[in-house]
Amino acid sequence: DVKVTQSSRYLVKRTGEKVFLECVQDMDHENMFWYRQDPGLGLRLIYFSYDVKMKEKGDIPEGYSVSREKKERFSLILESASTNQTSMYLCASSYTGSLWPQHFGDGTRLSIL
Amino acid sequence: AQSVTQLDSQVPVFEEAPVELRCNYSSSVSVYLFWYVQYPNQGLQLLLKYLSGSTLVESINGFEAEFNKSQTSFHLRKPSVHISDTAEYFCAVSRKTSYDKVIFGPGTSLSVIP
Repeated sequence: DVKVTQSSRYLVKRTGEKVFLECVQDMDHENMFWYRQDPGLGLRLIYFSYDVKMKEKGDIPEGYSVSREKKERFSLILESASTNQTSMYLCASSYTGSLWPQHFGDGTRLSIL
Repeated sequence: AQSVTQLDSQVPVFEEAPVELRCNYSSSVSVYLFWYVQYPNQGLQLLLKYLSGSTLVESINGFEAEFNKSQTSFHLRKPSVHISDTAEYFCAVSRKTSYDKVIFGPGTSLSVIP
C-alpha cells in the first residue's frame, strides 16, 4: 500500500523556535508538496518540489523554507515560529506526469504557543 | 487567476438520500478539475478527476461529477449516501498549462444522519 508518512501527528512549539516537519513517501514520486489547511480556507500551497534539491514557492511561502536532499523526503522548516503559523500541515506527493497531489499524509497539527 | 467556490460549507443529509455538493470555478483558460475527500483525522484522498474527454466522471465508491463548461461547474453527486460518506469534500482546479498548481476550494462538510 502506498504511503506518505508525516513524522508527527501533533506538535506543540514555542514562539521563536525553529520547527522541522518531516515527510517521507515510499512511491518513488518525483513531486512533493507542503500545504497548510485552515478552516474555511481549504488548502493553500506553501512549497512544491519536482525533484531532489528543486523547489518552487507556492501561495504562502513567507516564514517557511523547505529541504529535499533525497527523493523520498521533503522537509518543511518554520524558521522562527509564530502564533499565526498554528495550523494543520499536510504533505503530498505525485509522479512526474501528474501535477496535482495524488497521495496525502495524515497531517501534522502544529500549535505555536 | 483561477478560483474555486463551494457555496455550501455544511450539508446534512439522511442516510440513503441523494446528495449534491456544489462547486463552481473561474478561469480564463481550460482547466483540470478534481474532488478530494478528507475523512476525520486523515489526510485527503483524490476522489475523482476530470482531465479531458467525457464530461461525466465517476469514483469507485458511487460518487460522480459532471463538468459543465458553460456554467463553469463541477458538482459532485451520489444517489444514495452511507454513514461512511461523512467527511469533508474539497473541489479543486488547475489550469491546463505546462505546470500550474492546484487551487482548492474552502470545502464542504457532509454529515450523513442515520
